Amino acid sequence: DVKVTQSSRYLVKRTGEKVFLECVQDMDHENMFWYRQDPGLGLRLIYFSYDVKMKEKGDIPEGYSVSREKKERFSLILESASTNQTSMYLCASRKAGGSGDEQFFGPGTRLTVL
Amino acid sequence: DQQVKQNSPSLSVQEGRISILNCDYTNSMFDYFLWYKKYPAEGPTFLISISSIKDKNEDGRFTVFLNKSAKHLSLHIVPSQPGDSAVYFCAASSTGNQFYFGTGTSLTVIP
Repeated sequence: DVKVTQSSRYLVKRTGEKVFLECVQDMDHENMFWYRQDPGLGLRLIYFSYDVKMKEKGDIPEGYSVSREKKERFSLILESASTNQTSMYLCASRKAGGSGDEQFFGPGTRLTVL
Repeated sequence: DQQVKQNSPSLSVQEGRISILNCDYTNSMFDYFLWYKKYPAEGPTFLISISSIKDKNEDGRFTVFLNKSAKHLSLHIVPSQPGDSAVYFCAASSTGNQFYFGTGTSLTVIP
């Protein structure tokens, strides 16, 4: 059974803290994505990576960075957490090659920044 | 600016009837469209997709229709079941790297 796992389901951090969200996939997928989901806004892409050590900005990269040192792992970093980064964070992976393959999502991390 | 829009935040349907969820897009370069289903406290799961070279794709109770001239797609669920109650997101892509998601429609199927 294919799987995308995220390091935490719930996380509470304080303003200004550095936050790491980890995502691991076991499908040998080339592409990995980080989204945030907010009420009324749907899923918005923060960053994606199409290969190890490669990254591309999505629609809302400000305040975030990413790291992909190994194919199976994609980390999202909040350098200095702020209250407007309170959200549900979803990681996804996908096989590379054209539009035709769907993304597989992890269960999400509910981050609260106080 | 939202390139993929789902204008109905919620929909209620009686069990056994048809559910129709709608999605509009603005970018004519999109060539692949997907529907995802999301239960609370879980990540979205893929439901059905359609390429822009088709106008209909069917998988069991689920059918997606694409009207390229209107930049509109819809998901039909027939017959609707209580287990179909979830949030449904449509998504679109032109490159396969970046997918644009709508804001979601919460479907409630009433037993």
